Amino acid sequence: KQEVTQIPAALSVPEGENLVLNCSFTDSAIYNLQWFRQDPGKGLTSLLLIQSSQREQTSGRLNASLDKSSGRSTLYIAASQPGDSATYLCAVSNSGYALNFGKGTSLLVTP
Amino acid sequence: DAGVTQSPTHLIKTRGQHVTLRCSPISGHKSVSWYQQVLGQGPQFIFQYYEKEERGRGNFPDRFSARQFPNYSSELNVNALLLGDSALYLCASSLVGGRGNQPQHFGDGTRLSIL
Repeated sequence: KQEVTQIPAALSVPEGENLVLNCSFTDSAIYNLQWFRQDPGKGLTSLLLIQSSQREQTSGRLNASLDKSSGRSTLYIAASQPGDSATYLCAVSNSGYALNFGKGTSLLVTP
Repeated sequence: DAGVTQSPTHLIKTRGQHVTLRCSPISGHKSVSWYQQVLGQGPQFIFQYYEKEERGRGNFPDRFSARQFPNYSSELNVNALLLGDSALYLCASSLVGGRGNQPQHFGDGTRLSIL
């Protein structure tokens, strides 16, 4: 059974800092890995999807990497802003359809 | 373009009742998935439907059922509600189902509270 772990559970940083969120998974036979953002009381916003054959994906200030063999992914956020405050969720797909989620990292960026 | 839309946004029910939640996917998307998110946890997969057929089912009891309509919208039904069914129910759509590499796009969810 796929287990997805996200570290840290919570993070508080001052505005402008670069930061890294970590995700690990136990079963490396994945189709893809997706990073999401969730604002309080809201649904999930897709940030980046990395296919199993890829090593990284970039979108604006976000960069996600994937090391399938070690079962790890990182989400790098450059020059953090207060608007980046949210919960960030990592999800892996072994089946190609069902996503297995971690519990998320709650990020607070202070002005 | 409209994103994934879910209705209702909030719902309060009592134990033993049944509930129907609705989801409209992004235009052009043929796959709909349902997830349950309990407070403080990541979402848990319930079902995926593609072209009106069930393509995957998570570890949920038979009280949970779903269907997809010809216009690709979907309903999630839960019978004999329990207190533990209180959660945010999320719908996601993607272009294709099955073993695809398309991102899933989520709606804002239905907050279900059981009294």
